[in-house]
Amino acid sequence: KNEVEQSPQNLTAQEGEFITINCSYSVGISALHWLQQHPGGGIVSLFMLSSGKKKHGRLIATINIQEKHSSLHITASHPRDSAVYICAVRSGGNKLVFGAGTILRVKS
Amino acid sequence: ETGVTQSPTHLIKTRGQQVTLRCSSQSGHNTVSWYQQALGQGPQFIFQYYREEENGRGNFPPRFSGLQFPNYSSELNVNALELDDSALYLCASSWGLAGSTDTQYFGPGTRLTVL
Repeated sequence: KNEVEQSPQNLTAQEGEFITINCSYSVGISALHWLQQHPGGGIVSLFMLSSGKKKHGRLIATINIQEKHSSLHITASHPRDSAVYICAVRSGGNKLVFGAGTILRVKS
Repeated sequence: ETGVTQSPTHLIKTRGQQVTLRCSSQSGHNTVSWYQQALGQGPQFIFQYYREEENGRGNFPPRFSGLQFPNYSSELNVNALELDDSALYLCASSWGLAGSTDTQYFGPGTRLTVL
């Protein structure tokens, strides 16, 4: 079992829909990251969380430390949101452990 | 634009060859991490350098080595290339000490193909 599991693996949505991507982890963490990766490889850090909730524009990230679970929400989704969304955790030491990613496609 | 650059963008090598990938971190960032991302998978941690010293390593063999320089640039060297080394190699830099919760800024990656 991977230390970081994401669901769903693939997600197709219509423009305007509310989207949720989930991340569960099995280790103690000091921080959890949500990252966005576009075709071609470039990765952008969206959020870094250690507790609670953060919001940036149409993106909201939440984390429940007790349940070892985080969600990334996208409100009013748009085709430009199409990308791979990756959850990564920092657990003791200095490395990030990544989930396999969720491929999101938003159709117009 | 994160300010982290990598070169080359793409590279094709043959089995047994050696390769050097380069990363230029944001000015002032003391920590650089290297990741390998196979097609369809999440990145895997290779190693991290802090102030020119290796400061943690993932499950990669010794033929993966690195260097970090005082001018915020770094290198990933892979010897005796194998077909399974074909992947996107990403570097990421941050200001803080290894293990901190600083945001990492990723470069665009180098796509290595081993034939």
